Amino acid sequence: KAGVTQTPRYLIKTRGQQVTLSCSPISGHRSVSWYQQTPGQGLQFLFEYFSETQRNKGNFPGRFSGRQFSNSRSEMNVSTLELGDSALYLCASSLRQGYNGYTFGSGTRLTVV
Amino acid sequence: AQKVTQAQTEISVVEKEDVTLDCVYETRDTTYYLFWYKQPPSGELVFLIRRNSFDEQNEISGRYSWNFQKSTSSFNFTITASQVVDSAVYFCALSEAIRTQAGTALIFGKGTTLSVSS
Repeated sequence: KAGVTQTPRYLIKTRGQQVTLSCSPISGHRSVSWYQQTPGQGLQFLFEYFSETQRNKGNFPGRFSGRQFSNSRSEMNVSTLELGDSALYLCASSLRQGYNGYTFGSGTRLTVV
Repeated sequence: AQKVTQAQTEISVVEKEDVTLDCVYETRDTTYYLFWYKQPPSGELVFLIRRNSFDEQNEISGRYSWNFQKSTSSFNFTITASQVVDSAVYFCALSEAIRTQAGTALIFGKGTTLSVSS
């Protein structure tokens, strides 16, 4: 059974650019959450999607957005990149909303220069 | 507000030593879930355990054991006879139980880096 797949694994972008990260959940999982991990702030919740709807959002600026497709795959987008957006972005999937068993992917390492 | 504190930033032990990772949490909810995750250098968060607030039974899984005490708001994790492969960052996390259509989020501690040398 395939795990949570995140692409790409590594990304280098320039300040001011935008970036899109992709997450394919475990087959059958309908809930996808995104987290940002930095050395200073640790792991912080970005947002959660279920049935193509954003159900919860963390305390991040509007430059961070996401969406979920009908096949449960999810993308997150960061516009107008800042140096502080450099981080490991982790995606987690679970069977259904409210089911607290999360499986995480290996993450996308974003570096903003 | 919810909060998870892992006071130990780094722990170094020698193989076969027992080690306990501390986790203290804060929440106003009576129903919540606690988790431990392991993050090896590859970056993926590996699920270790989930415990709900109504289940204070301690759990043992091989060399791993967990001690949940609501009276002290703690959920500590012990590795018995540590091995080099246990070297990783360990995170404790908390989430509230979902009540409405709103989603849930994991609140993570800052993590404890465990280094096991041979």
